[in-house]
Amino acid sequence: AQSVTQLDSQVPVFEEAPVELRCNYSSSVSVYLFWYVQYPNQGLQLLLKYLSGSTLVKGINGFEAEFNKSQTSFHLRKPSVHISDTAEYFCAVSSKAAGNKLTFGGGTRVLVKP
Amino acid sequence: DAGVIQSPRHEVTEMGQEVTLRCKPISGHNSLFWYRQTMMRGLELLIYFNNNVPIDDSGMPEDRFSAKMPNASFSTLKIQPSEPRDSAVYFCASSSRSENTEAFFGQGTRLTVV
Repeated sequence: AQSVTQLDSQVPVFEEAPVELRCNYSSSVSVYLFWYVQYPNQGLQLLLKYLSGSTLVKGINGFEAEFNKSQTSFHLRKPSVHISDTAEYFCAVSSKAAGNKLTFGGGTRVLVKP
Repeated sequence: DAGVIQSPRHEVTEMGQEVTLRCKPISGHNSLFWYRQTMMRGLELLIYFNNNVPIDDSGMPEDRFSAKMPNASFSTLKIQPSEPRDSAVYFCASSSRSENTEAFFGQGTRLTVV
């Protein structure tokens, strides 16, 4: 079975400050990892994904994440946030063994303050 | 492609009534997922299909819930009879299993059962 834990339910951050959202996963097989963003009253939009290769993944809107197999983590970072980054962020895991079933973490709500 | 299309966007119904949510996946995608999102439980996978066949319906909460995928371009999620605790946002997502890509989400259906 696969699972995802997002350690922070809410992260307040000031505009232009850096932010890191933590994600840990559990799986007995090779995984694919994703970060999605959900703006108010909208669906989920992919920020970035790790399938294989380089462990540092760059996504849209200046976000990046690093896959760490030994720590089973996939933390999301942005060096300088904008007001428009206020949203909920979801980490997700899937695998071929699980039939590409996508399992989500509980989400982290980011509130960017001016 | 117009993306994953869900209808209706909003549904308000009375307790005991039948509700049918509809989803049109992205053309060419062969995996389809139904998720439910609530404040209390976050994003829950209800059921997913590969090549129109239900693979895992362990997330379907009760027998009141049923899902079908009669062809590659259409799926329904039915609740009969509906109850107030079914109030949530229901998302449909699709992906291309053969490419192990991310899931693309629809805009969701906000269901309110009164």
